[in-house]
Amino acid sequence: QQQVKQSPQSLIVQKGGISIINCAYENTAFDYFPWYQQFPGKGPALLIAIRPDVSEKKEGRFTISFNKSAKQFSLHIMDSQPGDSATYFCAASGDAGNMLTFGGGTRLMVKP
Amino acid sequence: DAGVIQSPRHEVTEMGQEVTLRCKPISGHNSLFWYRQTMMRGLELLIYFNNNVPIDDSGMPEDRFSAKMPNASFSTLKIQPSEPRDSAVYFCASSLRSGSAWGTDTQYFGPGTRLTVL
Repeated sequence: QQQVKQSPQSLIVQKGGISIINCAYENTAFDYFPWYQQFPGKGPALLIAIRPDVSEKKEGRFTISFNKSAKQFSLHIMDSQPGDSATYFCAASGDAGNMLTFGGGTRLMVKP
Repeated sequence: DAGVIQSPRHEVTEMGQEVTLRCKPISGHNSLFWYRQTMMRGLELLIYFNNNVPIDDSGMPEDRFSAKMPNASFSTLKIQPSEPRDSAVYFCASSLRSGSAWGTDTQYFGPGTRLTVL
C-alpha cells in the first residue's frame, strides 16, 4: 500500500534528448508527489513537485505529468544535458509532505 | 544558511562497536528525518521527529538502532552493536512543517554519513 514503484532503474540518453522516468503508486491517500535529484556524494535535493489536482507542472526543462486515475506520474527532462546526469527519485506522501515514501531511483546518464 | 550538517562524513568501524551519527538540522525547522541508503534497498526512512518528539520509528530495523533528539538543533542515530549489514549511507533531513493544505514541506537533506562496518 505504501510502495512507490519507479522505472527504469537506469537510463542513457544522448545530449539534447528527452529523459522520461515513470512512477506508480497504490495509496490513494497520497497527495504530494515530489521528485528529488541526487548527485554522487551528495544528499537528494528537491527538483520539482506536484499535487494531484493538476495534470502537469513545468519548471524550465523539467516537467511532471500526473495521471490520477492511473495512479502514475512521470518526470520529463527536455533537452537533456550531461549536467543532468544524476540519480532521480520519485516520492509520495499523504500527510502534507512530511513522511515521504521514495521510489527505487533511476540513474540517468546523459552522453555528450 | 549552512544547510543540514552531518558528522562524521565517513565512519569505518569494526563489527560489534558502537557507532553514533550526528545531525544538526536547519535552524527553525521542526521536523527531522533519518534515512538509510543502500544499493539493494534504496532510500529507507528510519525515523521521523516532529518538534523533537519521535512520531514514527517503524523503519528502525531492530533494537540495535536508536535515535534521539534532545533539542531542536541536534539529533543522534546510534547503532550498538554494529554489524557489517549496517554499512550504508545515512542521511539526515529536516523540514519546516507548516501545516499547509498540501505538501510544501520540502525536506532538505544533509550530505550523509558513509558508514562501513568491517
